[in-house]
Amino acid sequence: GENVEQHPSTLSVQEGDSAVIKCTYSDSASNYFPWYKQELGKGPQLIIDIRSNVGEKKDQRIAVTLNKTAKHFSLHITETQPEDSAVYFCAAVPNTGFQKLVFGTGTRLLVSP
Amino acid sequence: DTAVSQTPKYLVTQMGNDKSIKCEQNLGHDTMYWYKQDSKKFLKIMFSYNNKELIINETVPNRFSPKSPDKAHLNLHINSLELGDSAVYFCASSPRDSGGENIQYFGAGTRLSVL
Repeated sequence: GENVEQHPSTLSVQEGDSAVIKCTYSDSASNYFPWYKQELGKGPQLIIDIRSNVGEKKDQRIAVTLNKTAKHFSLHITETQPEDSAVYFCAAVPNTGFQKLVFGTGTRLLVSP
Repeated sequence: DTAVSQTPKYLVTQMGNDKSIKCEQNLGHDTMYWYKQDSKKFLKIMFSYNNKELIINETVPNRFSPKSPDKAHLNLHINSLELGDSAVYFCASSPRDSGGENIQYFGAGTRLSVL
């Protein structure tokens, strides 16, 4: 089945710096890749997603890139702010015919003022 | 306004007890899920229901029994609780699959502590 690896597990940056989180997936038939942000004491919340027919997608300070050949995708956050501090999860939808997300192991991002 | 609500938020109980967690969504979604998040924050799907029908069961011990009385509710009952069941359990829902997307909306979680 699908396996999603995520790196790094923790990431500390200064406010204003950029942050990059990387994921790889194993199922070449996966075609949808969302990113979720989980703040302390809350459930994960979708922040951006990308379909397999698109190489890059941007929404204000966040962007996601996808390399289908290499089977990896990345989250880019520019001009980080303290409120960006959270755990970020990448995910993939495997081609099983069922609606199912396989999550990466998470990245704890800490943005220091 | 709450889209996906879970109760209770915290649950502390003794080993061997039976407990239930309730979940309700008011988004009109067809599919609901239960996830378990362990102490290392790893999120793993347990069950998925579509219109009250079980469609995903990820090799969860049969002490865990989901029940969906209608498509807006998915409850989780756990029998004979064990120490290893301690975790945060999340309920989620998603609309009908639209071209391969699977946008899931999560509840705030239920922190279960088994003593």
